[in-house]
Amino acid sequence: AQTVTQSQPEMSVQEAETVTLSCTYDTSESDYYLFWYKQPPSRQMILVIRQEAYKQQNATENRFSVNFQKAAKSFSLKISDSQLGDAAMYFCAYRSAPGNEKLTFGTGTRLTIIP
Amino acid sequence: SQTIHQWPATLVQPVGSPLSLECTVEGTSNPNLYWYRQAAGRGLQLLFYSVGIGQISSEVPQNLSASRPQDRQFILSSKKLLLSDSGFYLCAWSYPLRRFYGYTFGSGTRLTVV
Repeated sequence: AQTVTQSQPEMSVQEAETVTLSCTYDTSESDYYLFWYKQPPSRQMILVIRQEAYKQQNATENRFSVNFQKAAKSFSLKISDSQLGDAAMYFCAYRSAPGNEKLTFGTGTRLTIIP
Repeated sequence: SQTIHQWPATLVQPVGSPLSLECTVEGTSNPNLYWYRQAAGRGLQLLFYSVGIGQISSEVPQNLSASRPQDRQFILSSKKLLLSDSGFYLCAWSYPLRRFYGYTFGSGTRLTVV
């Protein structure tokens, strides 16, 4: 079974600075998808960014980008120009390309933005 | 566009009482549907998922059950709530076999069992 590990329970960053959240995963599959979800205090889960494993190019969405290292099974999220609204729990998630329909989540990283 | 509705938003129930949480999806057909639970400060635990009407897969043995009486309706139930059932419950949907799109989540139900 696939597992997703987020080794940083909490992180903090000064407003306007850059922060990187770590995520590693364990799988024997070669084709899969990776996601970062954000859960602000409202607890609504919001998709931030996604990556297809067969694509070498790292995904970017405005201030959010990923560093996908397939061989190392690493999928970190970089937030540039951090804003107060970025304060949230961030969850990394894995989904098989073939096989079952489930999304496996990490335990999350709580990000605090320091004004 | 697709929308997902989940209710109620907040629920306080006594131990031993029944539970019914409802989730509906609009704007798509034959979605995959999921129920997750999130304990305070913890990650998300998949409880049930469904790939079609009447098809329910259970991920963990527990006091809860799920049903899918209609294509876009997913219900989480319990006959007798336990204190340990307290938590934040999230419903989600996804396109079948279009795994790149991930999940879309409802706004959640905060359940407190007293």
